[in-house]
Amino acid sequence: AQSVTQLGSHVSVSEGALVLLRCNYSSSVPPYLFWYVQYPNQGLQLLLKYTTGATLVKGINGFEAEFKKSETSFHLTKPSAHMSDAAEYFCAVSPFYNTDKLIFGTGTRLQVFP
Amino acid sequence: EAQVTQNPRYLITVTGKKLTVTCSQNMNHEYMSWYRQDPGLGLRQIYYSMNVEVTDKGDVPEGYKVSRKEKRNFPLILESPSPNQTSLYFCASSLGVERNEKLFFGSGTQLSVL
Repeated sequence: AQSVTQLGSHVSVSEGALVLLRCNYSSSVPPYLFWYVQYPNQGLQLLLKYTTGATLVKGINGFEAEFKKSETSFHLTKPSAHMSDAAEYFCAVSPFYNTDKLIFGTGTRLQVFP
Repeated sequence: EAQVTQNPRYLITVTGKKLTVTCSQNMNHEYMSWYRQDPGLGLRQIYYSMNVEVTDKGDVPEGYKVSRKEKRNFPLILESPSPNQTSLYFCASSLGVERNEKLFFGSGTQLSVL
């Protein structure tokens, strides 16, 4: 069955530093891939998604992610962290064999220090 | 304003007392889904619905029921709640997950079963 793994349940960075949140999926056939963000006491919001085409995907708030088939990865990055980026981030996959489903990773909580 | 509305926001109940969490969307979305969020486990899908009168089990359906009599509403029913159903619940909707349309999430319902 399709699964998604987020390495690191907590990541801490200084304001202005690079943000790197890791996501790997298990599939020999590329699924559709998503990153969602959850701010405190709110529901999730879509940051970006990859379906087909360009492997570098740009999302909202300066985030981007690169789909690397050879590494089965879809890591999320932002060149310069801002205090407002503090939130929980979820990677999700929609398996090619059942695109009705969306399978979430366990989440990574990002802390940004001044 | 486009939104997914869940009620109540917080709910404390006792084991065995039937309860319903309501979910309503005003975007004419076909797809609706329920998730539960638990620490270290991320979001897990409970049930989803592709359209009116069409529902299907997600990954953790045991102990839950849903109905989709109208397009806008998708209530989650716990006939006999148990403490292991204490969790944060999210309702979500989209134009169609199979078309990789993004999910819109409600603000969540924190349920405690004593």
